[in-house]
Amino acid sequence: IAGITQAPTSQILAAGRRMTLRCTQDMRHNAMYWYRQDLGLGLRLIHYSNTAGTTGKGEVPDGYSVSRANTDDFPLTLASAVPSQTSVYFCASSAGASYNSPLHFGNGTRLTVT
Amino acid sequence: DQQVKQNSPSLSVQEGRISILNCDYTNSMFDYFLWYKKYPAEGPTFLISISSIKDKNEDGRFTVFLNKSAKHLSLHIVPSQPGDSAVYFCAAKASGAGSYQLTFGKGTKLSVIP
Repeated sequence: IAGITQAPTSQILAAGRRMTLRCTQDMRHNAMYWYRQDLGLGLRLIHYSNTAGTTGKGEVPDGYSVSRANTDDFPLTLASAVPSQTSVYFCASSAGASYNSPLHFGNGTRLTVT
Repeated sequence: DQQVKQNSPSLSVQEGRISILNCDYTNSMFDYFLWYKKYPAEGPTFLISISSIKDKNEDGRFTVFLNKSAKHLSLHIVPSQPGDSAVYFCAAKASGAGSYQLTFGKGTKLSVIP
């Protein structure tokens, strides 16, 4: 089934540890995104990639890094996790910037930093 | 400063009645608006969209209205069904080169009571 796969589904992580959240899409979409969802704050953009080989910062990029080595994969790395990074993380993709390119989301990774 | 505002965190509606979810925006550069629906433990899914050149877009039971002068849009669900119970996110973006990014509101939790 075409779509976005995120792994792991959930994770408990000790503060200070490094963690990579994986995201793979099989729709050959150009653009990919990472959002975090926090209660009362909605969805906030962390990083994005308009096309393979390029990345950009979103609204809340501090403490996170991304890479886009190919079209399908867009991993999100927390170099040294802090409790404020406890959140649900959603990866998304879109075919492009046209009006007919809504975002398609994965089912999320629930991360708890202790 | 929040550019997309959903001022009602929750809404309860009787089955069969109309649900109206509201969204306000402040950025005059926004010209494309979307509604996403999210069930627990799932990623948001695209529901309906509207371009700023229109004031109404309809898809089955779902209709989105846009009032550009008031910077306000609303989602109408008629008739409401228990399966519509979810969190609804309003999102907006500005057209232009590289403008792939969506700005989301905080969401409104809709409960449809049987």
